[in-house]
Amino acid sequence: DAGVTQSPTHLIKTRGQHVTLRCSPISGHKSVSWYQQVLGQGPQFIFQYYEKEERGRGNFPDRFSARQFPNYSSELNVNALLLGDSALYLCASSWEQGARGYTFGSGTRLTVV
Amino acid sequence: GENVEQHPSTLSVQEGDSAVIKCTYSDSASNYFPWYKQELGKRPQLIIDIRSNVGEKKDQRIAVTLNKTAKHFSLHITETQPEDSAVYFCAASDPSGTYKYIFGTGTRLKVLA
Repeated sequence: DAGVTQSPTHLIKTRGQHVTLRCSPISGHKSVSWYQQVLGQGPQFIFQYYEKEERGRGNFPDRFSARQFPNYSSELNVNALLLGDSALYLCASSWEQGARGYTFGSGTRLTVV
Repeated sequence: GENVEQHPSTLSVQEGDSAVIKCTYSDSASNYFPWYKQELGKRPQLIIDIRSNVGEKKDQRIAVTLNKTAKHFSLHITETQPEDSAVYFCAASDPSGTYKYIFGTGTRLKVLA
């Protein structure tokens, strides 16, 4: 079991730039969710994808977008980066949309300067 | 929408003592409550969960209780060990159908040797 893999692990971007974060779910898992975790806070829901369709979206601006590919991997895109976008971005997978308990990846630490 | 409050924000206990972390939720329709442990710099890991049709669940030194009437649930750790030191997050499933979790703000548990 390779677990949920995310890339890159760390990156630094400048305000106004664009970033793409990648996630590969556990083999056999069809649902991928994205969460933002600001330092000292709990994770906040951004998106959920199941069978390549968006099934849920949190209270994030349109600068945030995502997609899921036929192999169930996923990308999170953030445009026009702001300093406040600095956070740990966590990807979580589960075998179906409503399955109990996510398995989180180790996250991508994004720093916007 | 659903809101989850978690207390205390920090908790220090002597090794061997018990630790209790409490959470309240606002939407009585929430039906699934996971607990995650996050060690410094690592991903959140599911440690125990409970569904709304169950009042208590135990797994070795860890137990969770749920009071649906009062809309609160608690994590109990007995015989604490230094490796229990971490940040613990409670969460509640969002009943709106998006299959997202609403997380509490976290409790930093320190087990003093």
